[in-house]
Parts: sequence; C-alpha cells; structure tokens
Amino acid sequence: GAVVSQHPSWVICKSGTSVKIECRSLDFQATTMFWYRQFPKQSLMLMATSNEGSKATYEQGVEKDKFLINHASLTLSTLTVTSAHPEDSSFYICSARARGQGVGKDTQYFGPGTRLTVL
Amino acid sequence: GQSLEQPSEVTAVEGAIVQINCTYQTSGFYGLSWYQQHDGGAPTFLSYNALDGLEETGRFSSFLSRSDSYGYLLLQELQMKDSASYFCAVLNQAGTALIFGKGTTLSVSS
Repeated sequence: GAVVSQHPSWVICKSGTSVKIECRSLDFQATTMFWYRQFPKQSLMLMATSNEGSKATYEQGVEKDKFLINHASLTLSTLTVTSAHPEDSSFYICSARARGQGVGKDTQYFGPGTRLTVL
Repeated sequence: GQSLEQPSEVTAVEGAIVQINCTYQTSGFYGLSWYQQHDGGAPTFLSYNALDGLEETGRFSSFLSRSDSYGYLLLQELQMKDSASYFCAVLNQAGTALIFGKGTTLSVSS
C-alpha cells in the first residue's frame, strides 16, 4: 500500500512552453502533498506544500506564478511549470501524507519523480 | 529555519561498516529521518528517530541525541548495492514537510 505515482516520468520540452506534472496517491487519500526539486548531485529542495481544496504554500524564493500547483482532489496534485526555460530543467519529486496523519510524524510517501529537460 | 550538516562523500569497501553523521539546527524538532536515494530514483525511507537512542533495522541502524542535535546512520556489512546518496532530514516547523540535508554520497567498492 501507500503508493504515489507521477506522470510523466520524463519530459523534454522547448523553451517557453508549459509542462504539467501529475502526482497521484493510488491507494490512500492525501490531504497534503509536497513538491520538491532536485538538481544533479544536490539535495531535494522543498518548493511548496499543497493542501486539498486550498492554495499552495510556496517556500521562499519559489515563484508561485511560474510553478502553478493545484490540489483539486484527495488523490491528485499537479505542478505546472509555465514558460519553462533551460534553468528549470531538474528532477521534480512529489510526496504525500495520508489523511489522518498527525503533525510531527514522518510518514511521507514519495513518487518516483519526473525528469524535466527544457531545450 | 531548519538546517542540517552531513559529510558530502564517504567511501568504503564491501563488508565494512560506515557511519554517516548529521548535525542539525531547527526551530522546533520532531525527529530525525534518514533516506536513501539511488541515482535517478526517488528517496526511500530508512529510519526515523524521535527519541534519543539507537534504532536497528537489519544492517542499518540510526542514532539520535537530541541534547547534542546530532544523529548518525550506521551501515553494516556493506554491499555494492548500498552505493547511493543518503540524506538526513527533519520536519519543518509546521511538522509536515521534510527538509533535507545536502546528502552524503556513499561509494562501496569491492
């Protein structure tokens, strides 16, 4: 149980286009999902926290107009990279917390990641 | 904010024991987690210490000292497949999202 999927697993796009990445919790309801970005040989950097039915909370330095996050249901969050540029090329990973999990417990389920390459 | 320090690289041979240290500075602390990540893959959960002491899970053990803001991951009987990046992580102030250290690249040779 507790599987999180991401689609697509990789995507190549031209500079200036928008790309949507989906994150789904397959067998549980996720009230909160998180989006991370990881550049090669670097750590995972939290971009934003997405709560079902409300606006995402972005970390300092992350442009909310560039990285649009929508969490329309308890099993789906999407990240749209708008007007992508080569510097947005990265590994994007989502994670999800199950409904009913208390604060302060590390039980997060990670998706397999999406590798974005912007030409 | 939360910050974590861990060594950038560690090398070892098969069968050896390796300890990866992590020190942290946090506003609010719930516990220390460890994750493994192979190249191109997602991080996978290894352990979580909320209380002081040693937690053992097979070949991997994790230790926490809250008073010293310090923890470590101990990997025993190293195998080639253990070559990966290892991240320590803490929850953010809200106790929801994980904040990761910069990661330690472990290279195991034969």
